[in-house]
Amino acid sequence: GAVVSQHPSWVICKSGTSVKIECRSLDFQATTMFWYRQFPKQSLMLMATSNEGSKATYEQGVEKDKFLINHASLTLSTLTVTSAHPEDSSFYICSAALGQPYEQYFGPGTRLTVT
Amino acid sequence: EDKVVQSPLSLVVHEGDTVTLNCSYEVTNFRSLLWYKQEKKAPTFLFMLTSSGIEKKSGRLSSILDKKELSSILNITATQTGDSAIYLCAALTGGGNKLTFGTGTQLKVEL
Repeated sequence: GAVVSQHPSWVICKSGTSVKIECRSLDFQATTMFWYRQFPKQSLMLMATSNEGSKATYEQGVEKDKFLINHASLTLSTLTVTSAHPEDSSFYICSAALGQPYEQYFGPGTRLTVT
Repeated sequence: EDKVVQSPLSLVVHEGDTVTLNCSYEVTNFRSLLWYKQEKKAPTFLFMLTSSGIEKKSGRLSSILDKKELSSILNITATQTGDSAIYLCAALTGGGNKLTFGTGTQLKVEL
């Protein structure tokens, strides 16, 4: 149980375009989902906390207009990288909380490359 | 600013060796310390430590928290090649919503 999926697994896009990444909790309902970013050989950096039915809470330094988060249902959160630039290339990982926030189950990640 | 530091950054050992990974934290409103194993993709949960001095054990892995020293260690005994991964520790803070991750320790176990 407690499986989280992400789609797509990897995506290549051109500068200036927008990319949407989906995060789904497959066998449980998650009131809270988290979006992380991981650069090569670096740790996971929390970008934002997404609560179903309300606005996401962004961490300091994360542009909310660039990284749009929508948590439309208890099993789906989406992250849209708008007007992507090469520096947005990274590994994006979501997690879904089962019950308590510390019970986070991570998705397999999405590798974004912006050319 | 919350900070979690891990050491060493990477290490290479031989199968059968015992390793100790370190994690120290400087955070506000500390609640718990979590350890994860990250192989190719998503981190998988290993331990959550909330109380100081109580060892948690799972097979060859064990971990303990020292709240006085603001640190934790993860021990792996009789290492196997399958233990090769990045080991991440994270501090759970505030209302329990936020995980601040360390940079990780990359462990490689060779035959």
